[in-house]
Amino acid sequence: DAGITQSPRYKITETGRQVTLMCHQTWSHSYMFWYRQDLGHGLRLIYYSAAADITDKGEVPDGYVVSRSKTENFPLTLESATRSQTSVYFCASRSGAIYEQYFGPGTRLTVT
Amino acid sequence: RKEVEQDPGPFNVPEGATVAFNCTYSNSASQSFFWYRQDCRKEPKLLMSVYSSGNEDGRFTAQLNRASQYISLLIRDSKLSDSATYLCAVTFSGNTGKLIFGQGTTLQVKP
Repeated sequence: DAGITQSPRYKITETGRQVTLMCHQTWSHSYMFWYRQDLGHGLRLIYYSAAADITDKGEVPDGYVVSRSKTENFPLTLESATRSQTSVYFCASRSGAIYEQYFGPGTRLTVT
Repeated sequence: RKEVEQDPGPFNVPEGATVAFNCTYSNSASQSFFWYRQDCRKEPKLLMSVYSSGNEDGRFTAQLNRASQYISLLIRDSKLSDSATYLCAVTFSGNTGKLIFGQGTTLQVKP
């Protein structure tokens, strides 16, 4: 029972490149979320999704794109990576009935 | 003013001590409250939900004070393994259950 997984766990990319972070959950949770965590800012919501094909912006969506064609997957794409997007990215999910969110292990992204 | 605020600490306590953290929230329409634990930039892990009547899980007790708009976490008989960052999270009415996190309080338990 893997729960919620993220890949890659570590990624180094160059400024201007497109990079996609993957998130997969096996619980059939309807809600999925993407956060970034930076020193001094805590966890900030980038995008979330209430169901397949339903996505919405969070607090810091600029420079990111998401899609959700299947309930279990919620990829996050940085269209043209910038150094300010160097961060740790966490995916989370929850069922529709309760608000408790469960987090994936994170992806540590460095943009050079 | 931030929607959810925590004292970042660090709180340095000896083993066996009792320590309490508070978390204040600004929106009186807040609905659900949680404490998460995070180790060394690993993923946050749900520690406990906070119910109106308060709740206890072993050495951990969570309280909610709606009148003063804060939640608290009490840790009794601190262990070295309790050293971590504790994040509070709040949902607000009408925001589709999105969690708003505080920046976290760091606890260091010393031998």
